[in-house]
Amino acid sequence: SQQGEEDPQALSIQEGENATMNCSYKTSINNLQWYRQNSGRGLVHLILIRSNEREKHSGRLRVTLDTSKKSSSLLITASRAADTASYFCATEGGNSGGSNYKLTFGKGTLLTVNP
Amino acid sequence: EAGVAQSPRYKIIEKRQSVAFWCNPISGHATLYWYQQILGQGPKLLIQFQNNGVVDDSQLPKDRFSAERLKGVDSTLKIQPAKLEDSAVYLCASSSHPVGPYNSPLHFGNGTRLTVT
Repeated sequence: SQQGEEDPQALSIQEGENATMNCSYKTSINNLQWYRQNSGRGLVHLILIRSNEREKHSGRLRVTLDTSKKSSSLLITASRAADTASYFCATEGGNSGGSNYKLTFGKGTLLTVNP
Repeated sequence: EAGVAQSPRYKIIEKRQSVAFWCNPISGHATLYWYQQILGQGPKLLIQFQNNGVVDDSQLPKDRFSAERLKGVDSTLKIQPAKLEDSAVYLCASSSHPVGPYNSPLHFGNGTRLTVT
């Protein structure tokens, strides 16, 4: 079963606006990762936030993590048409044991940035 | 560094036929993954290797799917016989660290799009 659930399923904005996507999960995690997937391509890693971190930045990306609410958000500032893609959150289990160290993906948010 | 290579990019087969996908991970990456991504959904893990050993294959339909990782480098995923519901993109990924709490991201190939008619 998939751990993360992204919200919204689809988001359409104008170039220059900010885009916020949310992810909720159910069990304890070691880290949470965000990936981007352009149409017909593989996934590209964007940012990883550890369970003991609350916020991380990378360029125009800002990720927050609230482990008490089991939720994360991805903010893309000053969006561009090239940001049009699907965005997935993925969680890595937080318990010991090899089978927990696998990445489980949500269903993704389809972001469309209109020029 | 070169990325994860997958072939073929596209494959169309009839149901009950067999098909194989190939993956060459980033050089030196210990862990290799096969994911299945059905249209409109997120990737679902099929099997996870560390070097040439299987770490997790709990979601692999073993009656029809098989995978191997020869010498801990390249990997092949096979489906025999294929069903209509196997139509999906099959993604290979690798990561630099062995399985464990190393917080290392996955590097994905562009996938193989399989259509079963």
